[in-house]
Amino acid sequence: AQSVTQLDSQVPVFEEAPVELRCNYSSSVSVYLFWYVQYPNQGLQLLLKYLSGSTLVESINGFEAEFNKSQTSFHLRKPSVHISDTAEYFCAVSDYGTDKLIFGTGTRLQVFP
Amino acid sequence: DTEVIQTPKHLVMGMTNKKSLKCEQHMGHRAMYWYKQKAKKPPELMFVYSYEKLSINESVPSRFSPECPNSSLLNLHLHALQPEDSALYLCASSQDLIEAFFGQGTRLTVV
Repeated sequence: AQSVTQLDSQVPVFEEAPVELRCNYSSSVSVYLFWYVQYPNQGLQLLLKYLSGSTLVESINGFEAEFNKSQTSFHLRKPSVHISDTAEYFCAVSDYGTDKLIFGTGTRLQVFP
Repeated sequence: DTEVIQTPKHLVMGMTNKKSLKCEQHMGHRAMYWYKQKAKKPPELMFVYSYEKLSINESVPSRFSPECPNSSLLNLHLHALQPEDSALYLCASSQDLIEAFFGQGTRLTVV
């Protein structure tokens, strides 16, 4: 079965600094990869996704993630964070052809002024 | 309309009560999901319905009973819950798992 590892439970960073949230998944023939963001007391919002094609995917609010098959990673990056980026970030993976979306344990991004 | 609507937003129930959580989507998605999320934890899959039929039950206790009356609605019936069942219950829908849309959740407290 697929699994997802998010190595950092918390990432504190100052505003306008760059950030990387790490995600590794267990190997599989085909996977879809996702990053979701959850603000306090809210549901999950899809931030970006990798299905196929270009290994670098971008979101509309400046985040990007790179699919690295050899390292089975899908790290999330942003060159300059804002206070409003403070939230919980979940990496998720699905096996092609299944209905299961498997989440990592989450990374709490805390942006300080 | 890309919204998944969950009602109620908050629910407090006693251990002998029977209550239901409701979820609605009008995106024509063929799959609907229930997830349970405890504080500071990731969502855990409970049930998946595909084309209105239960396709996945992740060994959830029978005090949780899902129901899919039609392609737009998903219910979760609750009976004889325990305090440890207190959590945020999230509903989601997806056409082909390429993008899953989540509702805002129901915050359930069992007293």
